[in-house]
Amino acid sequence: EADIYQTPRYLVIGTGKKITLECSQTMGHDKMYWYQQDPGMELHLIHYSYGVNSTEKGDLSSESTVSRIRTEHFPLTLESARPSHTSQYLCASSAGLAVSEQFFGPGTRLTVL
Amino acid sequence: AQSVTQLGSHVSVSEGALVLLRCNYSSSVPPYLFWYVQYPNQGLQLLLKYTSAATLVKGINGFEAEFKKSETSFHLTKPSAHMSDAAEYFCAVSDNIQGAQKLVFGQGTRLTINP
Repeated sequence: EADIYQTPRYLVIGTGKKITLECSQTMGHDKMYWYQQDPGMELHLIHYSYGVNSTEKGDLSSESTVSRIRTEHFPLTLESARPSHTSQYLCASSAGLAVSEQFFGPGTRLTVL
Repeated sequence: AQSVTQLGSHVSVSEGALVLLRCNYSSSVPPYLFWYVQYPNQGLQLLLKYTSAATLVKGINGFEAEFKKSETSFHLTKPSAHMSDAAEYFCAVSDNIQGAQKLVFGQGTRLTINP
């Protein structure tokens, strides 16, 4: 079944640790996105990708980095987690059309102590 | 730059009553508009989208929205609320940046349904 997956769903980690949030989609979509969402707030785009080997920064400045080595995989990495990184991270993908629906994963809720 | 304003961070209605969630947009070009729903601890699910075809757009779960250019609005409605409609609703406008579609989201409206 075509879908978009994120792991882990919940992560509690100490300050200074390196973490990678995984995102995979089985829809063959070229475009992928990472959003950050604080509780009760809107989503802010932090990274996006047109396709393999393409990554761009979004509207909201983020200390995280992303990579796109394979079409289906778009991991997000924090080299040194801090409490200010505590948030929910949502991954999304869309097809190559000019305007098309973004499909969202279930999100990863990150807490940095 | 495009932007979206959702009027009312919380809306509460009785089961069976009309649901009206307000969204106003700002765009220098004809916009593409979306409504998404987010249930607790889940990602976002598309309810409906406007892409310059019919101004009245029907979506899933009985929701619909009407695009009004003169009012720069795209309000979401449902004639009769159900308990399962309780969720967070986000309006978004599309900004097509160099081929990658960027969505600009409103701050969201939390819908509560009273029995």
